[in-house]
Amino acid sequence: GEDVEQSLFLSVREGDSSVINCTYTDSSSTYLYWYKQEPGAGLQLLTYIFSNMDMKQDQRLTVLLNKKDKHLSLRIADTQTGDSAIYFCAENLSGGYNKLIFGAGTRLAVHP
Amino acid sequence: DTEVTQTPKHLVMGMTNKKSLKCEQHMGHRAMYWYKQKAKKPPELMFVYSYEKLSINESVPSRFSPECPNSSLLNLHLHALQPEDSALYLCASSPPSGNEQFFGPGTRLTVL
Repeated sequence: GEDVEQSLFLSVREGDSSVINCTYTDSSSTYLYWYKQEPGAGLQLLTYIFSNMDMKQDQRLTVLLNKKDKHLSLRIADTQTGDSAIYFCAENLSGGYNKLIFGAGTRLAVHP
Repeated sequence: DTEVTQTPKHLVMGMTNKKSLKCEQHMGHRAMYWYKQKAKKPPELMFVYSYEKLSINESVPSRFSPECPNSSLLNLHLHALQPEDSALYLCASSPPSGNEQFFGPGTRLTVL
């Protein structure tokens, strides 16, 4: 079946690292994504990882993929107030046409 | 031009009205998508167009009618909607050679 799960809320202090976790069920997913959505806005693609990789780093963002456990995480280093948003994990089902299945989203709140 | 644009930003319509949502991209992407996002929920796929042909319809009611007049433009025609159709409607596109989906800012639709 197709299911992506995330914890709903994370609160961190400004300057700390944030880690947002996600689990997925489709072992044939080829790509996994992290999107950011600020209030009233569309989705911003932050980063994505191919399923044969286990880590990807892009500036303050680090994605870790444990394919055996079907677990994906997004680490944001030096979290800033501008990082406050909802973060969606998504998997790209195999079979073409880029059908994305999204998790429920994790609301990240950054406080001083 | 490196973005997906959507018009209008906001739309209020009655249940007997006919209206259209418009999405445009000039990045040479050949796949375009419509998603529906209810408040505090993740986006849900409605339609996928690949090379201007409808490739996925996720069992969407016929009161929603998509149209892809050319490779840069995607419309969603609305007719006889219900109040429960009120949501943020997101358009996305993806390049032929990649697996990323890039989203527009969305149209916030309210059906009275």
